[in-house]
Amino acid sequence: DAKTTQPNSMESNEEEPVHLPCNHSTISGTDYIHWYRQLPSQGPEYVIHGLTSNVNNRMASLAIAEDRKSSTLILHRATLRDAAVYYCILMGGGYQKVTFGIGTKLQVIP
Amino acid sequence: EAGVAQSPRYKIIEKRQSVAFWCNPISGHATLYWYQQILGQGPKLLIQFQNNGVVDDSQLPKDRFSAERLKGVDSTLKIQPAKLEDSAVYLCASSLGGRVTDTQYFGPGTRLTVL
Repeated sequence: DAKTTQPNSMESNEEEPVHLPCNHSTISGTDYIHWYRQLPSQGPEYVIHGLTSNVNNRMASLAIAEDRKSSTLILHRATLRDAAVYYCILMGGGYQKVTFGIGTKLQVIP
Repeated sequence: EAGVAQSPRYKIIEKRQSVAFWCNPISGHATLYWYQQILGQGPKLLIQFQNNGVVDDSQLPKDRFSAERLKGVDSTLKIQPAKLEDSAVYLCASSLGGRVTDTQYFGPGTRLTVL
């Protein structure tokens, strides 16, 4: 399975943008890049996903490198409620084959 | 729309005892997943069902863990006998069709403590 590499932790000030990086140098051409986040004491929740083009939704933006070997999740304006563990996951092969890593623990400072 | 339901939310048992967890996925979702999340780690997929058939159970410790999804709706995950290292949160998730573009919706999890 293709693997992802993320920093273990990051900090951000409240109301500032946050850029969460993910490296996936062994990504295959059919792998989608998904981001989920897990708030304390909750199950993970979907944030965004993409294949090649940058994607935007109400929660975040996903910037995908041209060679697809890395991507960045962008939270445009961090709030205290965004403090969570963010997981970058590759899904491919037709049906979902899901491997979560350790993720990045985001701390938002008031 | 109701989310993924799991019960119980918490369970404490002694080692070598048995335990069962229940999951009710979102209505109409064909794909159901069970994950194990040990403290400080990301969720690990144990088993994936497509309707009532198993798609992937490569990481399920089959000597002690079993899971079923009768009638392609609810699912139960059983551990028999439990070991100390089974202490974890057990998460159930469902998705519409299990395709790579489908969103997985997670339940709140069951926190298992094995003493």
